[in-house]
Amino acid sequence: GAGVSQSPSNKVTEKGKDVELRCDPISGHTALYWYRQSLGQGLEFLIYFQGNSAPDKSGLPSDRFSAERTGGSVSTLTIQRTQQEDSAVYLCASSPNGGRRYFGPGTRLTVL
Amino acid sequence: AQSVTQLGSHVSVSEGALVLLRCNYSSSVPPYLFWYVQYPNQGLQLLLKYTSAATLVKGINGFEAEFKKSETSFHLTKPSAHMSDAAEYFCARHGDNQGGKLIFGQGTELSVKP
Repeated sequence: GAGVSQSPSNKVTEKGKDVELRCDPISGHTALYWYRQSLGQGLEFLIYFQGNSAPDKSGLPSDRFSAERTGGSVSTLTIQRTQQEDSAVYLCASSPNGGRRYFGPGTRLTVL
Repeated sequence: AQSVTQLGSHVSVSEGALVLLRCNYSSSVPPYLFWYVQYPNQGLQLLLKYTSAATLVKGINGFEAEFKKSETSFHLTKPSAHMSDAAEYFCARHGDNQGGKLIFGQGTELSVKP
């Protein structure tokens, strides 16, 4: 069956531009997570969606970061006015009811 | 504070040798604990997890980890390293809300020499 997919796989952008990263979770998974993997920072939690509950946004590093999950399925992570320190691999994961997480391959973001 | 500490950002072993990757957690209540592996250019995969049942947890690819409450540790071991084990390994724990965010360690890169 299909796993978690993310697009694009690579994104190069200029400082100051906005970017959107997409995550397609496994069908039926109610929980969706975004993480960031960067040099020197390891894996950082960003945001967590569970069903219709208010998302846990406690990991978002600044108000330039936001995420939506439409219809309980696809999620988009938006970074406004990108900075060079935003360069990282952004990982999405989904799980059935907060159980085992299945990670996507990630989107590598490079901000020039 | 909730945290996960992995000792050693890089571990190198010879093929056939014991693999030991260290992980310590800080928490007043034993959390759920996990080990993930990330092979080059691939996503994270779950190796094994501890959920307060057996303290010795067996995972995929011959890996296992032992939960030791007295040492607040959850070290990952494999008796005999294989070249294909070369990857980055992450220890993780749940936050306060067990169904919520995972808190990851900094990761340990494992190299296997022939």
